[in-house]
Amino acid sequence: DAGVIQSPRHEVTEMGQEVTLRCKPISGHNSLFWYRQTMMRGLELLIYFNNNVPIDDSGMPEDRFSAKMPNASFSTLKIQPSEPRDSAVYFCASSLVALAGSTDTQYFGPGTRLTVL
Amino acid sequence: QQPVQSPQAVILREGEDAVINCSSSKALYSVHWYRQKHGEAPVFLMILLKGGEQKGHEKISASFNEKKQQSSLYLTASQLSYSGTYFCGRSSGDKLTFGTGTRLAVRP
Repeated sequence: DAGVIQSPRHEVTEMGQEVTLRCKPISGHNSLFWYRQTMMRGLELLIYFNNNVPIDDSGMPEDRFSAKMPNASFSTLKIQPSEPRDSAVYFCASSLVALAGSTDTQYFGPGTRLTVL
Repeated sequence: QQPVQSPQAVILREGEDAVINCSSSKALYSVHWYRQKHGEAPVFLMILLKGGEQKGHEKISASFNEKKQQSSLYLTASQLSYSGTYFCGRSSGDKLTFGTGTRLAVRP
């Protein structure tokens, strides 16, 4: 079975441009998480979905960031406009949560390394 | 506020043991441990669901003290493949808050 798929794997863009990161979770998983990893701040949760519904977006840095999950097999994270401080590795992870309110194993995608010049 | 891990970094010779600690200022209901190799994604190691519970994965085990809000990861007879950054994760309902990370390097 394929793991979590993310695209692109690398993105280099200029400040002010729109960036869209994509994620396909593991089939059958009902929760999806977007993380950002930097040396300074470590691994931060940006937003997560349960059954395609955004549950907690308190980690989204500001209005320039938005995320959608139109169906169970696809999610996007958009940054518009992008800034140099957005440079980081963005991970998507999915999980099969058996019991509401519990935390189960998260399977991470390979990540997207974003560089904003 | 993210859990604090100690030490921040450790270098071992192959075969040596190490302990990584995770301390939370908020209540720990369960603790997750992940390992991330350089340039790769974090990979799940284990979950500890009860206070005092110990679990094992290969020669890696962990304990969880709910009262002290702490967890420790024990690496026994380390192997080169153990190198990477280890993260604990504090569970809060449906989500994880990852710790500050511990970089582990195992030398031949």
